[in-house]
Amino acid sequence: DTAVSQTPKYLVTQMGNDKSIKCEQNLGHDTMYWYKQDSKKFLKIMFSYNNKELIINETVPNRFSPKSPDKAHLNLHINSLELGDSAVYFCASSGRDPGQIYEQYFGPGTRLTVT
Amino acid sequence: QQQVKQSPQSLIVQKGGISIINCAYENTAFDYFPWYQQFPGKGPALLIAIRPDVSEKKEGRFTISFNKSAKQFSLHIMDSQPGDSATYFCAASIISGGYQKVTFGTGTKLQVIP
Repeated sequence: DTAVSQTPKYLVTQMGNDKSIKCEQNLGHDTMYWYKQDSKKFLKIMFSYNNKELIINETVPNRFSPKSPDKAHLNLHINSLELGDSAVYFCASSGRDPGQIYEQYFGPGTRLTVT
Repeated sequence: QQQVKQSPQSLIVQKGGISIINCAYENTAFDYFPWYQQFPGKGPALLIAIRPDVSEKKEGRFTISFNKSAKQFSLHIMDSQPGDSATYFCAASIISGGYQKVTFGTGTKLQVIP
């Protein structure tokens, strides 16, 4: 079973559209994250939710809105897509127990291409 | 500004050689220093990590050296193998309230040639 899954794996869309990326983890973790990896492979945190509560909100355009319906799911909705949003988006999760906090488990990524 | 600086950007090593990747950080509030390995088309995966009260950690062929006073740390891959070819990210994080805020370095693309 996949620990952290994302859908879709690829997303090609036009400028101005609205799209969503879904993430699910079956590890029983309390905390989930969204990262953006740009074309130069730079990996930067965007958001983090802990038990459905937003705890990290980096400087991200407000066109990006995360939503956590429950602690196993963290979705990312992007409005009015721009060319610069093209990147690979990774979801990750980590546990709360002392041994679990230290490792973040990443999903396979969603490659978003805006044309 | 880039809070975690990583070098080199790319590295080619012969099979059996030693691969060395260096990182430096600025924020003394960081309290955990993981290294992640990423293969093409995959998400990053935790490789090895160290806390700042330890100067060295070894797991198999992978060793982290940590210099707290210099705010530098490095990854050594001994007996490098073609299967080690991947992008390596150093990172520095702050652990607080049950979650971890990770700041990644810029990545090093390692190629191990037979």
